[in-house]
Amino acid sequence: GDSVTQMEGPVTLSEEAFLTINCTYTATGYPSLFWYVQYPGEGLQLLLKATKADDKGSNKGFEATYRKETTSFHLEKGSVQVSDSAVYFCALTGAGGTSYGKLTFGQGTILTVHP
Amino acid sequence: DSGVTQTPKHLITATGQRVTLRCSPRSGDLSVYWYQQSLDQGLQFLIQYYNGEERAKGNILERFSAQQFPDLHSELNLSSLELGDSALYFCASSVGQGPYYGYTFGSGTRLTVV
Repeated sequence: GDSVTQMEGPVTLSEEAFLTINCTYTATGYPSLFWYVQYPGEGLQLLLKATKADDKGSNKGFEATYRKETTSFHLEKGSVQVSDSAVYFCALTGAGGTSYGKLTFGQGTILTVHP
Repeated sequence: DSGVTQTPKHLITATGQRVTLRCSPRSGDLSVYWYQQSLDQGLQFLIQYYNGEERAKGNILERFSAQQFPDLHSELNLSSLELGDSALYFCASSVGQGPYYGYTFGSGTRLTVV
Protein backbone atom coordinates (compact mmCIF):
# COMPACT_ATOMS: atom_id res chain seq x y z
CA GLY A 1 0.00 0.00 0.00
CA ASP A 2 0.87 3.67 0.00
CA SER A 3 3.44 4.90 2.49
CA VAL A 4 5.39 8.05 3.36
CA THR A 5 8.75 8.17 5.12
CA GLN A 6 10.08 11.38 6.68
CA MET A 7 13.49 12.05 8.08
CA GLU A 8 13.79 11.36 11.75
CA GLY A 9 13.57 14.32 14.05
CA PRO A 10 13.57 16.39 16.01
CA VAL A 11 15.36 19.06 14.02
CA THR A 12 16.84 22.00 15.91
CA LEU A 13 18.12 25.05 14.04
CA SER A 14 19.19 28.59 14.73
CA GLU A 15 17.19 31.44 13.25
CA GLU A 16 18.10 32.18 9.59
CA ALA A 17 19.51 28.69 9.05
CA PHE A 18 18.64 26.63 5.97
CA LEU A 19 16.03 23.91 6.45
CA THR A 20 15.62 20.60 4.68
CA ILE A 21 13.17 17.92 5.78
CA ASN A 22 13.39 14.82 3.65
CA CYS A 23 10.32 12.95 2.49
CA THR A 24 10.11 9.87 0.27
CA TYR A 25 7.04 7.95 -0.73
CA THR A 26 5.77 4.66 -2.10
CA ALA A 27 2.60 4.73 -4.16
CA THR A 28 1.15 3.34 -7.34
CA GLY A 29 0.37 5.66 -10.20
CA TYR A 30 0.71 9.41 -9.80
CA PRO A 31 -0.18 10.55 -6.32
CA SER A 32 -0.64 14.13 -5.22
CA LEU A 33 1.86 15.24 -2.58
CA PHE A 34 1.41 17.62 0.33
CA TRP A 35 3.19 19.21 3.25
CA TYR A 36 1.10 20.04 6.30
CA VAL A 37 2.18 21.97 9.40
CA GLN A 38 0.82 21.58 12.91
CA TYR A 39 1.41 24.29 15.49
CA PRO A 40 1.05 23.41 19.18
CA GLY A 41 -2.56 22.82 20.18
CA GLU A 42 -3.88 23.29 16.65
CA GLY A 43 -5.04 21.21 13.73
CA LEU A 44 -3.03 20.61 10.60
CA GLN A 45 -2.73 23.37 8.03
CA LEU A 46 -1.92 22.81 4.39
CA LEU A 47 1.47 24.35 3.70
CA LEU A 48 1.97 23.45 0.04
CA LYS A 49 1.11 20.85 -2.55
CA ALA A 50 2.16 19.41 -5.90
CA THR A 51 -0.04 17.30 -8.11
CA LYS A 52 2.27 16.07 -10.87
CA ALA A 53 5.89 15.26 -11.51
CA ASP A 54 8.31 18.24 -11.52
CA ASP A 55 5.69 20.53 -9.99
CA LYS A 56 7.08 22.86 -7.33
CA GLY A 57 4.82 23.80 -4.45
CA SER A 58 5.65 26.94 -2.52
CA ASN A 59 4.21 28.99 0.30
CA LYS A 60 5.55 31.32 3.02
CA GLY A 61 9.13 30.79 1.85
CA PHE A 62 8.83 26.99 1.91
CA GLU A 63 9.33 24.96 -1.26
CA ALA A 64 9.11 21.33 -2.31
CA THR A 65 9.52 19.73 -5.74
CA TYR A 66 7.72 16.55 -6.81
CA ARG A 67 10.50 14.21 -7.99
CA LYS A 68 9.03 11.07 -9.49
CA GLU A 69 12.40 9.56 -10.42
CA THR A 70 13.50 9.59 -6.78
CA THR A 71 9.96 9.36 -5.31
CA SER A 72 10.74 12.34 -3.11
CA PHE A 73 9.15 15.60 -1.98
CA HIS A 74 11.71 17.27 0.26
CA LEU A 75 10.71 20.44 2.11
CA GLU A 76 13.15 23.38 2.07
CA LYS A 77 13.31 26.92 3.39
CA GLY A 78 16.22 29.24 2.93
CA SER A 79 16.01 31.11 6.23
CA VAL A 80 13.90 29.80 9.10
CA GLN A 81 12.30 31.92 11.81
CA VAL A 82 11.37 31.13 15.39
CA SER A 83 7.73 31.21 14.30
CA ASP A 84 8.39 28.20 12.00
CA SER A 85 8.74 25.94 15.04
CA ALA A 86 6.08 23.28 14.57
CA VAL A 87 5.55 19.70 13.44
CA TYR A 88 5.74 19.12 9.69
CA PHE A 89 3.96 16.25 7.95
CA CYS A 90 4.51 14.97 4.46
CA ALA A 91 1.45 13.29 2.94
CA LEU A 92 0.11 11.82 -0.25
CA THR A 93 -3.19 10.89 -1.73
CA GLY A 94 -3.45 8.02 -4.15
CA ALA A 95 -4.36 8.33 -7.78
CA GLY A 96 -7.51 6.30 -7.41
CA GLY A 97 -9.12 3.10 -6.26
CA THR A 98 -9.31 2.36 -2.58
CA SER A 99 -6.70 4.97 -1.74
CA TYR A 100 -8.72 7.81 -3.19
CA GLY A 101 -10.03 10.23 -0.62
CA LYS A 102 -7.47 9.18 1.97
CA LEU A 103 -4.34 11.06 2.92
CA THR A 104 -1.42 8.89 3.99
CA PHE A 105 0.86 10.79 6.36
CA GLY A 106 4.46 10.43 7.34
CA GLN A 107 5.33 10.25 11.01
CA GLY A 108 5.97 13.97 11.33
CA THR A 109 9.16 15.95 11.98
CA ILE A 110 9.42 18.28 14.95
CA LEU A 111 11.21 21.51 14.08
CA THR A 112 12.50 23.84 16.78
CA VAL A 113 14.11 27.14 15.81
CA HIS A 114 16.12 29.06 18.40
CA PRO A 115 16.75 32.82 18.27
CA ASP B 1 -10.32 29.73 12.35
CA SER B 2 -10.14 27.10 9.61
CA GLY B 3 -13.90 26.94 9.14
CA VAL B 4 -14.09 23.32 10.31
CA THR B 5 -15.65 23.15 13.76
CA GLN B 6 -15.15 20.25 16.12
CA THR B 7 -16.84 19.77 19.47
CA PRO B 8 -16.04 19.14 22.20
CA LYS B 9 -12.39 20.22 22.35
CA HIS B 10 -11.62 17.96 25.27
CA LEU B 11 -13.33 14.84 26.57
CA ILE B 12 -12.45 12.69 29.56
CA THR B 13 -14.35 9.47 30.04
CA ALA B 14 -14.02 6.05 31.62
CA THR B 15 -13.27 2.73 29.99
CA GLY B 16 -16.32 0.97 28.63
CA GLN B 17 -18.19 4.20 27.95
CA ARG B 18 -19.48 5.64 24.69
CA VAL B 19 -18.83 9.12 23.31
CA THR B 20 -19.86 11.13 20.28
CA LEU B 21 -17.58 13.60 18.53
CA ARG B 22 -19.10 16.20 16.27
CA CYS B 23 -17.78 17.95 13.20
CA SER B 24 -19.19 20.75 11.07
CA PRO B 25 -17.37 21.06 7.75
CA ARG B 26 -16.31 24.28 6.11
CA SER B 27 -19.15 25.98 4.26
CA GLY B 28 -19.54 24.46 0.79
CA ASP B 29 -17.46 21.37 1.51
CA LEU B 30 -19.25 18.08 0.85
CA SER B 31 -16.61 15.61 2.08
CA VAL B 32 -15.81 14.94 5.71
CA TYR B 33 -12.86 12.86 6.85
CA TRP B 34 -12.00 11.53 10.29
CA TYR B 35 -8.45 10.91 11.49
CA GLN B 36 -6.97 9.63 14.72
CA GLN B 37 -3.63 11.00 15.93
CA SER B 38 -1.71 9.13 18.59
CA LEU B 39 1.93 9.05 19.62
CA ASP B 40 2.46 5.42 18.63
CA GLN B 41 0.34 5.25 15.46
CA GLY B 42 0.74 8.77 14.12
CA LEU B 43 -2.08 10.09 11.92
CA GLN B 44 -4.41 7.31 10.84
CA PHE B 45 -7.28 7.72 8.40
CA LEU B 46 -10.53 6.39 9.79
CA ILE B 47 -13.35 7.11 7.37
CA GLN B 48 -14.65 9.51 4.72
CA TYR B 49 -18.16 10.64 3.88
CA TYR B 50 -19.23 12.52 0.79
CA ASN B 51 -22.62 14.20 0.70
CA GLY B 52 -24.05 11.77 3.22
CA GLU B 53 -22.58 8.56 1.83
CA GLU B 54 -19.60 6.59 3.02
CA ARG B 55 -16.80 6.88 0.42
CA ALA B 56 -13.67 5.35 1.91
CA LYS B 57 -12.79 3.39 4.99
CA GLY B 58 -9.46 3.10 6.71
CA ASN B 59 -8.29 1.63 9.97
CA ILE B 60 -11.55 2.14 11.80
CA LEU B 61 -12.36 -0.30 14.59
CA GLU B 62 -15.71 -2.08 14.68
CA ARG B 63 -16.41 -0.29 17.98
CA PHE B 64 -16.30 2.99 16.08
CA SER B 65 -18.94 4.26 13.67
CA ALA B 66 -19.66 7.48 11.87
CA GLN B 67 -22.30 9.16 9.80
CA GLN B 68 -22.89 12.35 7.87
CA PHE B 69 -26.24 14.06 8.20
CA PRO B 70 -28.29 15.95 5.55
CA ASP B 71 -26.92 19.27 6.81
CA LEU B 72 -23.44 17.76 6.15
CA HIS B 73 -22.26 17.73 9.74
CA SER B 74 -20.73 14.46 10.84
CA GLU B 75 -20.53 12.49 14.05
CA LEU B 76 -17.99 9.89 15.10
CA ASN B 77 -19.26 7.45 17.71
CA LEU B 78 -16.76 5.57 19.84
CA SER B 79 -18.08 2.80 22.07
CA SER B 80 -16.72 0.31 24.60
CA LEU B 81 -13.82 2.66 25.05
CA GLU B 82 -10.40 1.36 25.97
CA LEU B 83 -7.35 3.14 27.33
CA GLY B 84 -5.71 2.80 23.93
CA ASP B 85 -8.44 4.90 22.33
CA SER B 86 -7.01 7.99 24.01
CA ALA B 87 -5.92 10.22 21.16
CA LEU B 88 -6.58 13.38 19.21
CA TYR B 89 -9.43 12.94 16.75
CA PHE B 90 -9.40 15.29 13.79
CA CYS B 91 -12.09 16.04 11.32
CA ALA B 92 -11.26 17.52 7.92
CA SER B 93 -13.33 18.62 4.97
CA SER B 94 -12.88 19.21 1.26
CA VAL B 95 -15.05 20.41 -1.60
CA GLY B 96 -14.92 17.32 -3.76
CA GLN B 97 -14.70 13.61 -3.22
CA GLY B 98 -10.97 13.65 -2.80
CA PRO B 99 -8.31 15.83 -1.21
CA TYR B 100 -6.94 16.98 -4.56
CA TYR B 101 -6.61 20.53 -3.31
CA GLY B 102 -5.86 19.47 0.24
CA TYR B 103 -8.04 19.15 3.25
CA THR B 104 -9.05 21.78 5.78
CA PHE B 105 -8.62 20.39 9.26
CA GLY B 106 -10.45 21.25 12.44
CA SER B 107 -8.56 21.81 15.68
CA GLY B 108 -9.43 18.36 16.99
CA THR B 109 -11.05 16.69 19.96
CA ARG B 110 -8.68 15.36 22.59
CA LEU B 111 -10.13 12.18 24.06
CA THR B 112 -8.73 10.82 27.30
CA VAL B 113 -9.96 7.44 28.50
CA VAL B 114 -9.24 6.74 32.16
